[in-house]
Amino acid sequence: EAQVTQNPRYLITVTGKKLTVTCSQNMNHEYMSWYRQDPGLGLRQIYYSMNVEVTDKGDVPEGYKVSRKEKRNFPLILESPSPNQTSLYFCASSFSQGAYEQYFGPGTRLTVT
Amino acid sequence: GENVEQHPSTLSVQEGDSAVIKCTYSDSASNYFPWYKQELGKRPQLIIDIRSNVGEKKDQRIAVTLNKTAKHFSLHITETQPEDSAVYFCAAYNNNDMRFGAGTRLTVKP
Repeated sequence: EAQVTQNPRYLITVTGKKLTVTCSQNMNHEYMSWYRQDPGLGLRQIYYSMNVEVTDKGDVPEGYKVSRKEKRNFPLILESPSPNQTSLYFCASSFSQGAYEQYFGPGTRLTVT
Repeated sequence: GENVEQHPSTLSVQEGDSAVIKCTYSDSASNYFPWYKQELGKRPQLIIDIRSNVGEKKDQRIAVTLNKTAKHFSLHITETQPEDSAVYFCAAYNNNDMRFGAGTRLTVKP
């Protein structure tokens, strides 16, 4: 089954404790992206990746890091989480360059206290 | 960068009526305009999209129109049904940058 998976689905953590949210897709997609969703703000792009070892900043990259060492995986790293990073996070992938249907993962709800 | 505005933020219609959601964008170079539907507690899913070389696209009860000159595009849902109730997001894409509108919560009353 073609899918995008994220782990964990729910996470409560404390300020400053490094965390990683994993994202994996099995569709051999080149383009992957991370979004955060906040009430009234829609989906905002954090980082995207055009292909292995090619990443770039989106609209709200501050406080986040990503890596793309393999085509299928695109982890999101919060080196020192803060309460303003409490949000719902979605990973997505698409065939090429993002100008195609994006397939979203199930979401990760993160709470930073 | 691109800025996408979406209206209205909430929309309530009677079952069987039509619903229209409008979006404007700022970057004339944007060339791909998808619409996503997000049901409560679920992930966003693409329902229809349009590219800048097309003015209108239809898929059963759903249609999207694009006016490049005015830089706005709209989602039209006809014969609405209760299962159309969800949050709808428009987006504009240019040069690897995908910008979403803030969303419209559509409620279809039986």
